[in-house]
Amino acid sequence: DARVTQTPRHKVTEMGQEVTMRCQPILGHNTVFWYRQTMMQGLELLAYFRNRAPLDDSGMPKDRFSAEMPDATLATLKIQPSEPRDSAVYFCASGLVRGGGWVEQFFGPGTRLTVL
Amino acid sequence: GQNIDQPTEMTATEGAIVQINCTYQTSGFNGLFWYQQHAGEAPTFLSYNVLDGLEEKGRFSSFLSRSKGYSYLLLKELQMKDSASYLCAVSRASAYSGGGADGLTFGKGTHLIIQP
Repeated sequence: DARVTQTPRHKVTEMGQEVTMRCQPILGHNTVFWYRQTMMQGLELLAYFRNRAPLDDSGMPKDRFSAEMPDATLATLKIQPSEPRDSAVYFCASGLVRGGGWVEQFFGPGTRLTVL
Repeated sequence: GQNIDQPTEMTATEGAIVQINCTYQTSGFNGLFWYQQHAGEAPTFLSYNVLDGLEEKGRFSSFLSRSKGYSYLLLKELQMKDSASYLCAVSRASAYSGGGADGLTFGKGTHLIIQP
């Protein structure tokens, strides 16, 4: 049963600290997303990669956020420095696009981040 | 930009049928997803519609009308465990080289309450 994994599941940190979240996508999927969910804004797309190439990070505050995919089994989202307004659940999702359309897309369990 | 509307909250009775509507405005429409999300958990995939019409999958069905920018999720034989948020999400054709599809834009979700 293939699934997306994320670490850590929970993170509490102080303002100004660096936070790194990791995601292992489903083997064979060619697209990886980072989403953020808050009560106020709902689910928002931060960035995504296709075949490991970054395609869109327009949803991400670029002065503090960075997303990378160093290899096909690992995607990272880093916040430096973190701020209280970054507190949210961060989801990684992986999916398969073929022939111009989606075949499937699945979410990881999320990282619940609290910045004090 | 994209605009996705769905009701904030709905209430239904165990054993009954409920229809959750979603309207959207977008350019380059590439497909519409429905996800279920229980409190504190990740969204789980329910359905994906690309073409007009009804897709049935067990107790859940999803309908799409591209000309009207309209979709609905139909849940039959409601069970208490169906109490959750239901998220409508739209995919656009990717503007980037290589084609494919962009990341999803989500509605705020419909909180469904099932009563005995």
